[in-house]
Amino acid sequence: DADVTQTPRNRITKTGKRIMLECSQTKGHDRMYWYRQDPGLGLRLIYYSFDVKDINKGEISDGYSVSRQAQAKFSLSLESAIPNQTALYFCATSDAGQGATDTQYFGPGTRLTVL
Amino acid sequence: GNSVTQMEGPVTLSEEAFLTINCTYTATGYPSLFWYVQYPGEGLQLLLKATKADDKGSNKGFEATYRKETTSFHLEKGSVQVSDSAVYFCALSGAGAGSYQLTFGKGTKLSVIP
Repeated sequence: DADVTQTPRNRITKTGKRIMLECSQTKGHDRMYWYRQDPGLGLRLIYYSFDVKDINKGEISDGYSVSRQAQAKFSLSLESAIPNQTALYFCATSDAGQGATDTQYFGPGTRLTVL
Repeated sequence: GNSVTQMEGPVTLSEEAFLTINCTYTATGYPSLFWYVQYPGEGLQLLLKATKADDKGSNKGFEATYRKETTSFHLEKGSVQVSDSAVYFCALSGAGAGSYQLTFGKGTKLSVIP
C-alpha cells in the first residue's frame, strides 16, 4: 500500500461548489503539506502543518482552507471553487527534526477541474 | 526570498545521450538542495539531494554537485534511457518564517527516444 494516499484522484466540479480533498499517510510523519501544480509554474505551497495544532499558510493560501484531523490526515477545502483553481494538487509529508535536510514524500495527486 | 531557476524544456534526447539540466538558486543562509522526479501520472519522488557546499548527490546514475560559488546544482547523467523520461524539478529547502520549506523550480520535461 502507498504511504501517502489522496482522494479523490480526479474531480470535476462547478464554480461555486465546496470541494474537499483528503490526504492520509502511514509514514508516521508529523509534518504535512498541500501544494498545487500548474503547467509551467512548478509546485507552489498552499498550507503546511507541523503537527495537529500547528497550521500555517503557504505562498498561495487565498481561497483555500485546511483541517488537520489527526497526525495521519490533512484535508484541503475549496469553500467556493473557481475556474482558476483548476490544477493538480499534491499532498506531502516529512519527518520532523531534520530541518533543512527534510525529504518530502508525495502522494499521487488529485486532478481538479472547475468548470 | 528564496527562488530556483532551472532550464526550460522540453528536452528531447536519444537513448544513451548525455544529460544536463541546469539549476541555479537564490537563498539566504545555507539551504539544502534537491532534485525530484515526476514520472507520468505519478507524484514527485526524491531523486537525490545535497545538504552542504561541495556535496555530491547521486542516485540511479544521476549526479548533482552543490556549488555555492556559482549557486548551482546541475543534474547530469552520462547515458539516459527511455525509462528516464519524466519531469525533473530542482528544489531548495531554506529557512523561512522560522521553519524549513521547499521552493521548487518550474520543472524540465525530459523525453528520451529510442
